Amino acid sequence: DSGVTQTPKHLITATGQRVTLRCSPRSGDLSVYWYQQSLDQGLQFLIQYYNGEERAKGNILERFSAQQFPDLHSELNLSSLELGDSALYFCASSAGLTGELFFGEGSRLTVL
Amino acid sequence: DQQVKQNSPSLSVQEGRISILNCDYTNSMFDYFLWYKKYPAEGPTFLISISSIKDKNEDGRFTVFLNKSAKHLSLHIVPSQPGDSAVYFCAATSNNAGNMLTFGGGTRLMVKP
Repeated sequence: DSGVTQTPKHLITATGQRVTLRCSPRSGDLSVYWYQQSLDQGLQFLIQYYNGEERAKGNILERFSAQQFPDLHSELNLSSLELGDSALYFCASSAGLTGELFFGEGSRLTVL
Repeated sequence: DQQVKQNSPSLSVQEGRISILNCDYTNSMFDYFLWYKKYPAEGPTFLISISSIKDKNEDGRFTVFLNKSAKHLSLHIVPSQPGDSAVYFCAATSNNAGNMLTFGGGTRLMVKP
């Protein structure tokens, strides 16, 4: 158990819909990262937050947005969903801006 | 453009033998490299890392080698055990990347008893 909690574990929805994925980092970790893994590919970095502020942005679509709340949990919002958005979405956390990343078990999104 | 590549999608070895997983990178700014291991239905877990100032780092049965001139690193597992069967991801980052990791596509290792 990494200490990072992601909900929901599985989600099935239709094209055009909007979903929210939630992540609770390890206790005390200030950094939260979101990664997308599609079809047995590598993990693609989406976005990083540190203590409530956006820190780095990767290949995140404009239809996707994220935020980190004062209690340090984070949400990834995916809107106008397309079939190609079907993927595993991982959240990770770290104590600061360096150091080991601890990953959650992922949220599997299926868009039909 | 894939900055981190793992060219072997899968590898099968016999229990007790050596497993060698390879990774190539193109971005010369990368100065810290990591290996993550992933079991089905679980998130990746950190295995071992190496800084660019070193060419080898060892932790028990796991050793990572870095060849900066070739922009290549490898993970050696000796001896391999059936419990090592998993997907292994190579990742890289740079000092100014704020801990943002760039991952390879992964190699599925199967260790046969």
